[in-house]
Amino acid sequence: EVQLVESGGGLVQPGGSLRLSCAASGFPFSIYWMHWVRQAPGKGLVWVSRINSDGSSTSYADSVQGRFTISRDNAKNTLYLQMKSQRVEDTAVYYCARGSGKFLIDQWGQGTLVTVSS
Amino acid sequence: QLVLTQSPSASASLGASVKLTCTLSSGLSSYAIAWHQQQPEKGPRYLMKLNSDGSHSKGDGIPDRFSGSSSGAERYLTISSLQSEDEADYYCQTWGTGTFGGGTKLTVL
Repeated sequence: EVQLVESGGGLVQPGGSLRLSCAASGFPFSIYWMHWVRQAPGKGLVWVSRINSDGSSTSYADSVQGRFTISRDNAKNTLYLQMKSQRVEDTAVYYCARGSGKFLIDQWGQGTLVTVSS
Repeated sequence: QLVLTQSPSASASLGASVKLTCTLSSGLSSYAIAWHQQQPEKGPRYLMKLNSDGSHSKGDGIPDRFSGSSSGAERYLTISSLQSEDEADYYCQTWGTGTFGGGTKLTVL
């Protein structure tokens, strides 16, 4: 059974940093593109970032470019999202997701809530 | 710029069928999409990948009541024999950027 389990969410002050993790199991993690998607309270899904299978290629939404960094450890079957210089508008549930090819998603985690507030 | 357009809301009666639409912006009619379902207070669930020719591949455990079709730049999700648990938000996601449409909130009457 495919499982994606996010962790690391919580309350952070504006300008602060947080690192999210996503533990993957039930599939060969090292051969898949992986994504982060977020959802602000009461809003729709927004793609945030993706990374290729060996970590050599990454892409970001304009809203997080230069502040967020996606990475992965294939030996640990874990995906990460390092978030810096956080803003109130980064408040959202962050979902880890498995890629179906480079762009589409075919598996989702349960999400972790990040709240940016003073 | 890739844009996906979805109607904000739709409704249909229990046991009936409903067809949701995702429209790709001009010039992108060859792109595949994915459909995702998000029930209230839950995380999203992948439903299917839908190609421009209407062929589709569904996720594990997705009932036969869910099907997809395509016509030009439009991608459709049809749900037949509507059940109460089908009341949810439905999002399309495009190949090419991975961006999402705004979602359609489906109400089952």
